[in-house]
Amino acid sequence: DIQMTQSPSSLSASVGDRVTITCQASQDIRKYLNWYQQKPGRAPKLLMYDASTLETGVPSRFSGSGSGRDYTFTISSLQPEDIATYYCQQYDNLPYTFGQGTKLEIK
Amino acid sequence: EVQLVESGGGLVQPGGALRLSCAASGFAFRGYEMNWVRQAPGKGLAWIARIGTSGDGIDYVDSVKGRFTISRDNTKKSLYLQMNSLRVEDTGIYYCVRDDRAVMDVWGQGTTVTVSS
Repeated sequence: DIQMTQSPSSLSASVGDRVTITCQASQDIRKYLNWYQQKPGRAPKLLMYDASTLETGVPSRFSGSGSGRDYTFTISSLQPEDIATYYCQQYDNLPYTFGQGTKLEIK
Repeated sequence: EVQLVESGGGLVQPGGALRLSCAASGFAFRGYEMNWVRQAPGKGLAWIARIGTSGDGIDYVDSVKGRFTISRDNTKKSLYLQMNSLRVEDTGIYYCVRDDRAVMDVWGQGTTVTVSS
């Protein structure tokens, strides 16, 4: 199984800050990577697929990059509504596997 | 509106069984693979099972193989998860998730399963 190591596990930032989350796969996943946002008590929401393609309707302050084993998720200017837990997930091979999650809080 | 609505969760004793259902609407259900994803209380997400468009192409995570069975009825636009020999560690929220060329893009609101004596 492909292991996904996501960091940090939690992050506190101020409104307007640039926020970066990283995700490393245990092997090359060929950019087959999703990023999800999960707000408390809600189902996860797909933000990005293929490592850098924004899902329809997702604000452009969210972006993604990376290749091979290493990937980055960025919020260019943190907004109060971005408070959530974020997960990376690979879909190169079954079983699909997720990172441990990054809980984002407002400072 | 594209929607997935799960049902069938509840409280069950260890060793018991439950059948989860997921009703799809707003899209051509028969054209999509489907998944179940689980989230233990206060924990992260874990993929459980996937089924192909015609009910073939079935895969499971190792921890549920031989105990859980995923199935679908395209005429009823429904996905199912039969869960047998349930364990305490199977407790969590179970999400029904649409799979668009391996991207899990639409999620239901989840149904809660609690395995406890």
